[in-house]
Amino acid sequence: GAVVSQHPSWVICKSGTSVKIECRSLDFQATTMFWYRQFPKQSLMLMATSNEGSKATYEQGVEKDKFLINHASLTLSTLTVTSAHPEDSSFYICSARVPKVPNQPQHFGDGTRLSIL
Amino acid sequence: AQTVTQSQPEMSVQEAETVTLSCTYDTSESDYYLFWYKQPPSRQMILVIRQEAYKQQNATENRFSVNFQKAAKSFSLKISDSQLGDAAMYFCAYRYTGTASKLTFGTGTRLQVTL
Repeated sequence: GAVVSQHPSWVICKSGTSVKIECRSLDFQATTMFWYRQFPKQSLMLMATSNEGSKATYEQGVEKDKFLINHASLTLSTLTVTSAHPEDSSFYICSARVPKVPNQPQHFGDGTRLSIL
Repeated sequence: AQTVTQSQPEMSVQEAETVTLSCTYDTSESDYYLFWYKQPPSRQMILVIRQEAYKQQNATENRFSVNFQKAAKSFSLKISDSQLGDAAMYFCAYRYTGTASKLTFGTGTRLQVTL
């Protein structure tokens, strides 16, 4: 089946640094990928839809300059948390769907636990 | 806007028993998909079952089945012969059939399985 790989799985860094998270579709080409944020004991909140070769579409309330998304190829999307602060600590998950197959579910990466000190 | 509601924050079931998790949704679309995802403590999102709205027959996957009531906009998940490994957060999700459409998740139900 379709596999989505997310890296790193866990990152700890100092406040003020930028952190990049990668999301790769391993056995299919994903024209669209999705980035979610999940706080403890809460649901997944969609942050943005990443479109290959074009700008990402951000959900209301998500800072575009804070969460930079790049989808430069059909198998890779990256989320960069710029100038990260402790309030950015969270669990980030990406997903992708096999294109042109209408009833395909979204396939999720294993997530990245981000801790900002 | 589409919304998904899970009214049971927590549920508990004894091993080998049956439990039903509730989900309702609101949409003006007629063609869409519904999903149940499981999130164990590892936080990996695992697809449990899916249902196409145009299909009247309820989906089943081994011990998992759904009761899809389109008119009532209800989509409950039944887990039969519950096992310890079923303990997890369960999220109901909705997506309309557009090519780049996004998933809308419910707030989740935490399922405990007891001996």
